Amino acid sequence: AQSVTQPDIHITVSEGASLELRCNYSYGATPYLFWYVQSPGQGLQLLLKYFSGDTLVQGIKGFEAEFKRSQSSFNLRKPSVHWSDAAEYFCAVGPRKLIWGLGTSLAVNP
Amino acid sequence: DTGVSQNPRHKITKRGQNVTFRCDPISEHNRLYWYRQTLGQGPEFLTYFQNEAQLEKSRLLSDRFSAERPKGSFSTLEIQRTEQGDSAMYLCASSRDRGDGYTFGSGTRLTVV
Repeated sequence: AQSVTQPDIHITVSEGASLELRCNYSYGATPYLFWYVQSPGQGLQLLLKYFSGDTLVQGIKGFEAEFKRSQSSFNLRKPSVHWSDAAEYFCAVGPRKLIWGLGTSLAVNP
Repeated sequence: DTGVSQNPRHKITKRGQNVTFRCDPISEHNRLYWYRQTLGQGPEFLTYFQNEAQLEKSRLLSDRFSAERPKGSFSTLEIQRTEQGDSAMYLCASSRDRGDGYTFGSGTRLTVV
């Protein structure tokens, strides 16, 4: 079965600390992988995507993600979190009809 | 590029009424998607168009739901005889190519009372 698991429902970090959000997927074919961010009252914004090539991908807002095929993972990272990064983060796998995780809610302490 | 536009932003309707939402995708995007999102959940796929052709429709979409994209540009999603369980955020997204990330609109929040 195709699925996306985001094991952490909620994470709190201090401003300036590093961040890693986990994503594991199950997909029968070569996956297209995406991370989206959703701020309160806002639509979903694409942070980054991966299909092939370098397994470490850079995205917007200083985020990066690493694809590890052996672990079926696509974890999102940021070296130093800003208060404005507080939002809901979704991992999704495609390519066309995306399958989504339940999201990880990120809170940032000043 | 003005992004994906959805109207209305909010809709409150009485149970049993019909509602229609509109989505205007990015003009050069030929793929258009509708998703539904409830609180604490990720988006759920509803349907997908490539140009004017509706290529896939979720089993979630009962007979009360219909979507159109008559000229391959804007799309409408209609819900007939609304039920309280239809209350959700309805999201529209578009993309240019297969595997491109979607660009989402801000959504239409439906409340059925």
